[in-house]
Amino acid sequence: GQQLNQSPQSMFIQEGEDVSMNCTSSSIFNTWLWYKQDPGEGPVLLIALYKAGELTSNGRLTAQFGITRKDSFLNISASIPSDVGIYFCAGHRSEYGNKLVFGAGTILRVKS
Amino acid sequence: GAGVSQSPRYKVAKRGQDVALRCDPISGHVSLFWYQQALGQGPEFLTYFQNEAQLDKSGLPSDRFFAERPEGSVSTLKIQRTQQEDSAVYLCASSQNSNQPQHFGDGTRLSIL
Repeated sequence: GQQLNQSPQSMFIQEGEDVSMNCTSSSIFNTWLWYKQDPGEGPVLLIALYKAGELTSNGRLTAQFGITRKDSFLNISASIPSDVGIYFCAGHRSEYGNKLVFGAGTILRVKS
Repeated sequence: GAGVSQSPRYKVAKRGQDVALRCDPISGHVSLFWYQQALGQGPEFLTYFQNEAQLDKSGLPSDRFFAERPEGSVSTLKIQRTQQEDSAVYLCASSQNSNQPQHFGDGTRLSIL
């Protein structure tokens, strides 16, 4: 089945730092999405990408849909404490049914 | 409210009991999805509805799991004869149609004792 490999598994950030995480797959997807999940809550959509090579921003967040359609990255600039949480990438392709295939998540923690 | 609503938020059941989890999607959303999220993992697909039709149930782990959406809005996920491995967070998501982004509820955390 389709698998998404997300890295890093976890990272510590200092407030003000830029953060980068990525997602790779052995399968092609037509849509890549990035979600953030806080404890006890459902995933919240951050960015959706629909075309290979597309670069999209949402405030301090920037995400890119890889040219091969098998990868995506998410950057967070000038991180703030509320950026802490778990970030998931998800891929969608109608040929795989209409489900989303999720990575295992990147846990973002703040250095104290 | 404007988002996907799930109830109950928490459910504790004894092994062998049946449970029913409810999802109210965003009004007007045609597509509805159920996912299961184990601790420390990403959500995994269970089943998908377009209006009242269940078009994909390939992710349901066994015939103890059953989902319905009889009028094309509210959906119920039922688990019969629960087992400890059913303990997880069950997430519901809806989208305007199958090609639009999915929006998630806050889930039901199910614990089987």
